[in-house]
Amino acid sequence: EADIYQTPRYLVIGTGKKITLECSQTMGHDKMYWYQQDPGMELHLIHYSYGVNSTEKGDLSSESTVSRIRTEHFPLTLESARPSHTSQYLCASSESPEFLRWGSLDTQYFGPGTRLTVL
Amino acid sequence: AQKITQTQPGMFVQEKEAVTLDCTYDTSDPSYGLFWYKQPSSGEMIFLIYQGSYDQQNATEGRYSLNFQKARKSANLVISASQLGDSAMYFCAMREGSSTLGRLYFGRGTQLTVWP
Repeated sequence: EADIYQTPRYLVIGTGKKITLECSQTMGHDKMYWYQQDPGMELHLIHYSYGVNSTEKGDLSSESTVSRIRTEHFPLTLESARPSHTSQYLCASSESPEFLRWGSLDTQYFGPGTRLTVL
Repeated sequence: AQKITQTQPGMFVQEKEAVTLDCTYDTSDPSYGLFWYKQPSSGEMIFLIYQGSYDQQNATEGRYSLNFQKARKSANLVISASQLGDSAMYFCAMREGSSTLGRLYFGRGTQLTVWP
């Protein structure tokens, strides 16, 4: 059973606002991820983190930024929201087993997601 | 090239019947893992089942089983005895062993509708 939380679940805001989407997990996982998903489409990786003070951009270009000051917390920030940012944002985490032992232990567990609408 | 291909945008099945959701993958990495997730209309992604490339047997988890055909590079999800609550979007994903990050590549999903 995964314990990963996201807040808010739904957010409707106006253009130009600064927002932070929260993600936290209580499993002590080192790796955390942010995905963006448009309705009916696949997930695209936008940010990831190997651990504290380690963050990298993913495949999909995103104007958002992330931070990882604590293991359990991986917030995503949009400095100035635009309608093009309207999407669902999903946070995930996984254990970080040694390479030779990876497998089902490397399963990514997802939070409930945040549906963001920018007017 | 697409790493994960799900060719069925939508599938319909009657309650209590079995259904197979197709997934093919593309990788040159000899070590990889395949995952299936369920996404209900509420939006969360629920992990269902995992298959490793070196696993000798097909994975099973309750009513879910994975029909793994390595030579054909397919990893189809079989849901037995479908229930109304199985109606959801289903995503196939792959993790390549060479990726230290453990990133997942997702398909576009299959919308499954179970009718009474």
